[in-house]
Amino acid sequence: QSALTQPASVSGSPGQSITISCTGTSSDVGSYNLVSWYQQHPGKAPKLMIYEVSKRPSGASNRFSGSKSGDTASLTISGLQAEDEADYYCCSYAGSSTFVVFGGGTKLTVL
Amino acid sequence: QVQLQESGPGLVMPSQTLSLTCTVSGGSISSATYSWSWIRQPAGKGLEWIGRIYASGSTNYNPSLKSRVTISVDTSKNQFSLKLSSVTAADTAVYYCTRGCVNCDYWGQGTLVTVSS
Repeated sequence: QSALTQPASVSGSPGQSITISCTGTSSDVGSYNLVSWYQQHPGKAPKLMIYEVSKRPSGASNRFSGSKSGDTASLTISGLQAEDEADYYCCSYAGSSTFVVFGGGTKLTVL
Repeated sequence: QVQLQESGPGLVMPSQTLSLTCTVSGGSISSATYSWSWIRQPAGKGLEWIGRIYASGSTNYNPSLKSRVTISVDTSKNQFSLKLSSVTAADTAVYYCTRGCVNCDYWGQGTLVTVSS
């Protein structure tokens, strides 16, 4: 069982927006603005899409945005495209003992 | 452009030690700005952070693996390494090396390590 809880799957049609949630606790997501999101296509290494809750690295599409409220972080993808179909993982710093935790992953299907 | 490449045996016997090396090119592993991590992913499952190291040698490990993990760095070769002892079938996974910890901005392609006799 993963430390962070994500929905197993979400889906949307091209052009729509979807949001993936990532629920942690006051020991991780709720305490630190150190949440990142990764996109992983089958057979490929994950790619950083969002870091520090809402920052986008160079190379990540501006259709991707992140936010956080309390113990839950969210990834929103707007203007859904076929190429967005992938697995998405959230990740959070969890303090000096546990250090880093991941969510179980969410499979995004573009209908 | 920073590139990372994992190398090591693809098959490890149960109870033995898994050893992998990550070679960094296009950037110096000695930069104090970044840490360097190992992350693994069993087939069809999610990501698990194993641990990280700075060029200084300072390390942090996943508490669930800490008793079996050693991560080391060789700045002269621009490499860092992973050793995981007493492996079982549950350690079978794709192992990735990355730059960063929570914010892993560069990843190796991953290497499959199978634990089997």
